[in-house]
Amino acid sequence: RKEVEQDPGPFNVPEGATVAFNCTYSNSASQSFFWYRQDCRKEPKLLMSVYSSGNEDGRFTAQLNRASQYISLLIRDSKLSDSATYLCVVNAIYNQGGKLIFGQGTELSVKP
Amino acid sequence: NAGVTQTPKFRVLKTGQSMTLLCAQDMNHEYMYWYRQDPGMGLRLIHYSVGEGTTAKGEVPDGYNVSRLKKQNFLLGLESAAPSQTSVYFCASSYAREVYNEQFFGPGTRLTVL
Repeated sequence: RKEVEQDPGPFNVPEGATVAFNCTYSNSASQSFFWYRQDCRKEPKLLMSVYSSGNEDGRFTAQLNRASQYISLLIRDSKLSDSATYLCVVNAIYNQGGKLIFGQGTELSVKP
Repeated sequence: NAGVTQTPKFRVLKTGQSMTLLCAQDMNHEYMYWYRQDPGMGLRLIHYSVGEGTTAKGEVPDGYNVSRLKKQNFLLGLESAAPSQTSVYFCASSYAREVYNEQFFGPGTRLTVL
């Protein structure tokens, strides 16, 4: 089983739609969770951290379910500029500090 | 602030050739990382460093070596390139040993090994 698993998509949605991405992780000791965004042929950039109580940043909402080892990202009112690949990322603490484990990414394409 | 920069941006090698990829960061970060990204796979950690003069193996270290002689630089070396090393290589850096561990990435190096 992969340490972080995502539905690769692609998700093709019209502008204004609401879309949700799911991610599961295998290491119950994981402590930090993130969503990164990666535009085509560019570097990943942090979109938002995921907190235990859930958190929202504008049109984006992240949720964490530790019991089920499950993370989600909800995008409301999709924009054309939201088209990208969304990477679920989990921080695992090892002897020499934290390392990030990346999911393979979920591709989103928002159409006019 | 330039953030994280990588040199070169593109490179084509023949099997058996060697090369060094340079990563530089100006954020005074302790931690630096080298990843490779292949189609259909997540970023995979090759090597990382928790400070100047230290390096450690990641998930896929075979065929690569690294050095961190200066805090701001992290070098990735391929001694004898193989076609399986065709990939996009990303360098990243982060603050030291904290649970919140955002990583800042460079723009990537696209390497093709023929």
